Amino acid sequence: EAQVTQNPRYLITVTGKKLTVTCSQNMNHEYMSWYRQDPGLGLRQIYYSMNVEVTDKGDVPEGYKVSRKEKRNFPLILESPSPNQTSLYFCASSRTWTSGRNTGELFFGEGSRLTVL
Amino acid sequence: AQSVTQLDSHVSVSEGTPVLLRCNYSSSYSPSLFWYVQHPNKGLQLLLKYTSAATLVKGINGFEAEFKKSETSFHLTKPSAHMSDAAEYFCVQAAGNKLTFGGGTRVLVKP
Repeated sequence: EAQVTQNPRYLITVTGKKLTVTCSQNMNHEYMSWYRQDPGLGLRQIYYSMNVEVTDKGDVPEGYKVSRKEKRNFPLILESPSPNQTSLYFCASSRTWTSGRNTGELFFGEGSRLTVL
Repeated sequence: AQSVTQLDSHVSVSEGTPVLLRCNYSSSYSPSLFWYVQHPNKGLQLLLKYTSAATLVKGINGFEAEFKKSETSFHLTKPSAHMSDAAEYFCVQAAGNKLTFGGGTRVLVKP
């Protein structure tokens, strides 16, 4: 079954304790991306990756890091979490056109709800 | 900078009546536009997409959307709401590799 898998689904942590949210897709997609969802703000892009070893900032990258060492995995790293990073996080992936642009047809994981105390 | 505005944060309809979700986009060139649906405690799922072919786009579950360049709108409709349509809906604009999401419209379906 085609899917994007995120872990953990729920996490409560404390300020400053490093954490990683993993994301894995089994569709051989080139494009992967992280979003945070906050009430009334829709989804905002944190980082995206066009392919292995190629990453770029989205709209709200501050306080986050990513890496893309393998095509299927795109972990999100919070080096020193703060309470304003309490949010619902989604990982997504999609194919790209031969031009390299992503198709916009995203496949989403089920989300990771993070609470930072 | 591009922006996507969903004109209603909440919409309430009765089962069997039409649904209209309004979306306006801003772009200086022909955008690619999408509607996604998010059911409770789930990720987003693609409903339909517009990529400069037909202006009336049909999607899954009986939804359709009409692209109107003169109005910079991409409204989503369904002739007859079902209880299973209760969810949050997002209008999305793609320009290059950048995707911009609207703020979402939560749909409540009354029996």
